[in-house]
Amino acid sequence: DAGVTQSPTHLIKTRGQHVTLRCSPISGHKSVSWYQQVLGQGPQFIFQYYEKEERGRGNFPDRFSARQFPNYSSELNVNALLLGDSALYLCASSQTGGGYNEQFFGPGTRLTVL
Amino acid sequence: AQRVTQPEKLLSVFKGAPVELKCNYSYSGSPELFWYVQYSRQRLQLLLRHISRESIKGFTADLNKGETSFHLKKPFAQEEDSAMYYCALGAAGNKLTFGGGTRVLVKP
Repeated sequence: DAGVTQSPTHLIKTRGQHVTLRCSPISGHKSVSWYQQVLGQGPQFIFQYYEKEERGRGNFPDRFSARQFPNYSSELNVNALLLGDSALYLCASSQTGGGYNEQFFGPGTRLTVL
Repeated sequence: AQRVTQPEKLLSVFKGAPVELKCNYSYSGSPELFWYVQYSRQRLQLLLRHISRESIKGFTADLNKGETSFHLKKPFAQEEDSAMYYCALGAAGNKLTFGGGTRVLVKP
C-alpha cells in the first residue's frame, strides 16, 4: 500500500479562482480528515468525513467544502481563492471516525495563490 | 476551546545530550495527547501517544494534567532525531489540534 495519496503535488492559482484537491485513503480506512498548514505553523483542522458524512468542521469560511465518495476518497474544494489560502493542504486517513484512531498523513498538496 | 502551545521554535543540541521539547495544552475535557514527527522530505507521522505509555525511538512523554503539559524527552539525542516535532491534542471525531512545532537540530 502506498499509503495516503494526494493530488496534485503542487498547484498555482490566482485570486478568485476555484481549486479542487484530491485524497485517496489507505485501503480499508473509512475516515478522511483535511488540514491546512500555513508556512511556519502547525496543521489546522478543516474537515473530517466518515462514511461519506461530515463529522467535524474547523473554523474555516464557507468557501471551503469537501465531500467523500463511496470508495472513501475525498475532495477538498476552495472557492474564491484568497492570497491567505496559500498553504500545504494535508489529508489524513484513519480506520474509523470515532475514538482516537491513529491518523496517517499524505504528502500534502502545496497551493500557491497569486 | 482547545489550544496547544510549543514555546520553542528551534532546539539545537549536541549528539548525546538530553533533549526536551515542551508542550502545554488547554482543554476542558479529558485530553488525548500525541507527538507527531516530520523528518526531512517525509510525511508527518505519529511518534507516540500518551495513552500507550510506550517509548518510541528512545523518546518518552508524560501527561501532567496538573500542569497541562505533555513534554517530550530523550536522554541521549542522535543525529537522526533532527526533525520537526508537533504536539497535538485529540478530540472527538479524530480532530487534532496541533501546536506550532519545534525544529530539533542535533549537531555532531
